[in-house]
Amino acid sequence: NAGVTQTPKFQVLKTGQSMTLQCAQDMNHEYMSWYRQDPGMGLRLIHYSVGAGITDQGEVPNGYNVSRSTTEDFPLRLLSAAPSQTSVYFCASRIYGTQYFGPGTRLLVL
Amino acid sequence: AQTVTQSQPEMSVQEAETVTLSCTYDTSESDYYLFWYKQPPSRQMILVIRQEAYKQQNATENRFSVNFQKAAKSFSLKISDSQLGDAAMYFCAYRVNTDKLIFGTGTRLQVFP
Repeated sequence: NAGVTQTPKFQVLKTGQSMTLQCAQDMNHEYMSWYRQDPGMGLRLIHYSVGAGITDQGEVPNGYNVSRSTTEDFPLRLLSAAPSQTSVYFCASRIYGTQYFGPGTRLLVL
Repeated sequence: AQTVTQSQPEMSVQEAETVTLSCTYDTSESDYYLFWYKQPPSRQMILVIRQEAYKQQNATENRFSVNFQKAAKSFSLKISDSQLGDAAMYFCAYRVNTDKLIFGTGTRLQVFP
């Protein structure tokens, strides 16, 4: 199993540009989620999904969209990037009690 | 509000010695999960250990063990026989029955030879 994979590893955007961060898992986990990590802070939940076709907002959802058309994939869309969205983004999937994280995507918005 | 507090921004330990990282949390729930995650410079979040609140026995994973005090809402991590590879950021996290993990701000652990 590859586990949780994320692409790209690093991305630079200009303010106002849009992009999609990709996340995939091959463990058949129903639960998937997106977090962001800012300096000096732990991870904060952006959006999550409890299964294909079902998504919900987390703690910091503004400026992000998600969809879950398959069990395997959970992309995160930035509609109009802002410098405040400069962060490291982590995707995670969960089985029972434990979340497993992807390697992260570092995003810089200029 | 559910919060997780790690009061030690940085800790250091000599190789082969023991170190304890502190974590307290605030919740009104009775059933929840607690975790310690390790984040090395690679930024990968690695699960170190997990504790279910209904279990009285403290979790142990090789050199890592926890001291779970439910009444005091305390969840400390003990690393025995510290190794250079243990150097990393350590995050305490809490979860109820949703997918929302609530993280502390982390403790940076340095290991000296």
